[in-house]
Amino acid sequence: QQQVKQSPQSLIVQKGGISIINCAYENTAFDYFPWYQQFPGKGPALLIAIRPDVSEKKEGRFTISFNKSAKQFSLHIMDSQPGDSATYFCAAMGNQGGKLIFGQGTELSVKP
Amino acid sequence: GAVVSQHPSRVICKSGTSVKIECRSLDFQATTMFWYRQFPKKSLMLMATSNEGSKATYEQGVEKDKFLINHASLTLSTLTVTSAHPEDSSFYICSARPPVGNYGYTFGSGTRLTVV
Repeated sequence: QQQVKQSPQSLIVQKGGISIINCAYENTAFDYFPWYQQFPGKGPALLIAIRPDVSEKKEGRFTISFNKSAKQFSLHIMDSQPGDSATYFCAAMGNQGGKLIFGQGTELSVKP
Repeated sequence: GAVVSQHPSRVICKSGTSVKIECRSLDFQATTMFWYRQFPKKSLMLMATSNEGSKATYEQGVEKDKFLINHASLTLSTLTVTSAHPEDSSFYICSARPPVGNYGYTFGSGTRLTVV
């Protein structure tokens, strides 16, 4: 019940295209869903996060779509750029803070 | 704001020696810090939760005598890998949670440990 399942494992997108990464969870006590971007040899950096009281959150080219009934959320990267090439992790956390549960990660490669 | 500094970024040590990794919250006080381990092309695996002024809470399967955690102040947690062996070689990352009510965890830049 603590798992967060992420797909795909890897993704290749042409420059200017849309990158879509999906995550699913089981624990309905989760109430915070962040996405992290990680470059090789670096720690993860918070990209965007959402709470279950909204269905969508957009920040620049990055959008989270959240489907509470399906217990799924996804990251959309519009106008993908080669500089977006990195590993992306979804995560979830229960109410009142606590441990972050990470998805398996998606290695994104944006081709010029 | 909410910067976490981790040091060193890379360390090579001989088998049997101990290595200490530092994690500092630079602009906020962190009563709780987290230590992760990451294998190549894998996700982050939570090792332990570091609590200021009390004992760390280790995840199942993590040897607390191998990975010593000390959180002596509100801005510093340390991870000491004792009697390191080649299988301890990995990427170690710390994370801190800013004050209560802010769910945005901030991660350090990681430490690449190589045991030879």
